[in-house]
Amino acid sequence: QQQVKQSPQSLIVQKGGISIINCAYENTAFDYFPWYQQFPGKGPALLIAIRPDVSEKKEGRFTISFNKSAKQFSLHIMDSQPGDSATYFCAARGSGGSNYKLTFGKGTLLTVNP
Amino acid sequence: KAGVTQTPRYLIKTRGQQVTLSCSPISGHRSVSWYQQTPGQGLQFLFEYFSETQRNKGNFPGRFSGRQFSNSRSEMNVSTLELGDSALYLCASSARPTAGANVLTFGAGSRLTVL
Repeated sequence: QQQVKQSPQSLIVQKGGISIINCAYENTAFDYFPWYQQFPGKGPALLIAIRPDVSEKKEGRFTISFNKSAKQFSLHIMDSQPGDSATYFCAARGSGGSNYKLTFGKGTLLTVNP
Repeated sequence: KAGVTQTPRYLIKTRGQQVTLSCSPISGHRSVSWYQQTPGQGLQFLFEYFSETQRNKGNFPGRFSGRQFSNSRSEMNVSTLELGDSALYLCASSARPTAGANVLTFGAGSRLTVL
C-alpha cells in the first residue's frame, strides 16, 4: 500500500528552467516531509525538509511548497543546472508507535539539458 | 568524519542461498535503518535498530532479518534468496531513532543480484 505518490516519474528540463516534482500523501499522521537526492552509484542524501505547520521552505534554489489541506507537497528547483540531474525522492515520516519510519515516493528522474 | 560504510558493495548469489550485508554507521550514531531499493517499488523500509534493539519493522517476510551490535554496527541477513530479492540494499544512520531524528544519512548501498 503506497502512502506517498510521486509524480512525474521522469522530467526533462532545460538549463535555467524550473523543475517541479509533486507528492501526495494519504496518512494525516505524517509529521515530517523530507526530500532526498540520489546520484547514480550513491545513496540518497537529504536535500531539504519541511514540517506541516509551515507552508513553504526555501534553501538556495530549492523550495518546498506544502499544502496541508490538500495533503500535497512539491519540490521546486529554480534555475535548474545539469549538476541537478539526479533521482529525487519525496518522503514522509509517520508519528507514533510503529509508524516512526520514512515512507518514500517512487522517485523522479530529473534530467537537466545543457 | 567518515560516512556510512556498507559492505560488500556488489554481490551475486543464486536462488536458495543466504546473504549477510554489513553496515557501519557514522561514528556516534546509534540508530541504523535498512531500506530495499528496486526500480519498481522504490525505497521500502525493512527495519530499524537502536541500541541493539529492533524498534520498527517493515512488511517483509521473515527471511529478512537484522541485528545490531554494541558498537552500533548492523548486519542484515536474507535467507533462501529469491530472484525478487535482487535490489540495492541501503543502510542509513542517525544519532537518534527515526522518531526523533530529522536527518538520515545513507550509505552507498549493497547491490545484490540473485541468479
